[in-house]
Amino acid sequence: GQQVMQIPQYQHVQEGEDFTTYCNSSTTLSNIQWYKQRPGGHPVFLIQLVKSGEVKKQKRLTFQFGEAKKNSSLHITATQTTDVGTYFCAGLYSGGGADGLTFGKGTHLIIQP
Amino acid sequence: EAGVVQSPRYKIIEKKQPVAFWCNPISGHNTLYWYRQNLGQGPELLIRYENEEAVDDSQLPKDRFSAERLKGVDSTLKIQPAELGDSAVYLCASSPNRQGGGYTFGSGTRLTVV
Repeated sequence: GQQVMQIPQYQHVQEGEDFTTYCNSSTTLSNIQWYKQRPGGHPVFLIQLVKSGEVKKQKRLTFQFGEAKKNSSLHITATQTTDVGTYFCAGLYSGGGADGLTFGKGTHLIIQP
Repeated sequence: EAGVVQSPRYKIIEKKQPVAFWCNPISGHNTLYWYRQNLGQGPELLIRYENEEAVDDSQLPKDRFSAERLKGVDSTLKIQPAELGDSAVYLCASSPNRQGGGYTFGSGTRLTVV
């Protein structure tokens, strides 16, 4: 079935450093979404990317969708302790297969003050 | 707006016992999902409903899991009998439709089977 691969699994950064997580699918996605899950919490929707090559920004967060609609990235500039959590990408596939979002395994962001 | 409401928040049962989880989605959201999340992993889709119809249950272990969404609003997910490997967080989510706009997740039910 469809799989969404996400790297790295863990990322330790010093507060103020930048952070990037990458997401890759072997097949073309209809759209890709990003979620954040705080420790002990549930996934919270951040953004959705639909168009090839799309770039969206939310304050210090920059999201990109690849030209082939198979990969995506999330970049955080100057991390803060409030950014701690697990960031998941989730792809929606058009056509056959599971009709809900397929989540990656997530990148756990750990920030050292 | 109350968001997606799930209960119970935690459940501990002995193996071979039945268990049920309840979900109330956001009002007006036609699409409802049940996901399972194991520790340190991403959520995995179990079943998707469009109104009261289960349109994708290919990932639901049908020998022991069942779900229903009567009247196209609340939904219940049941496991009978539970096994040790069923220990996980069961998340319910809803969205206006399948195509996008983001899912709203409930707080989940953390199931521990002993």
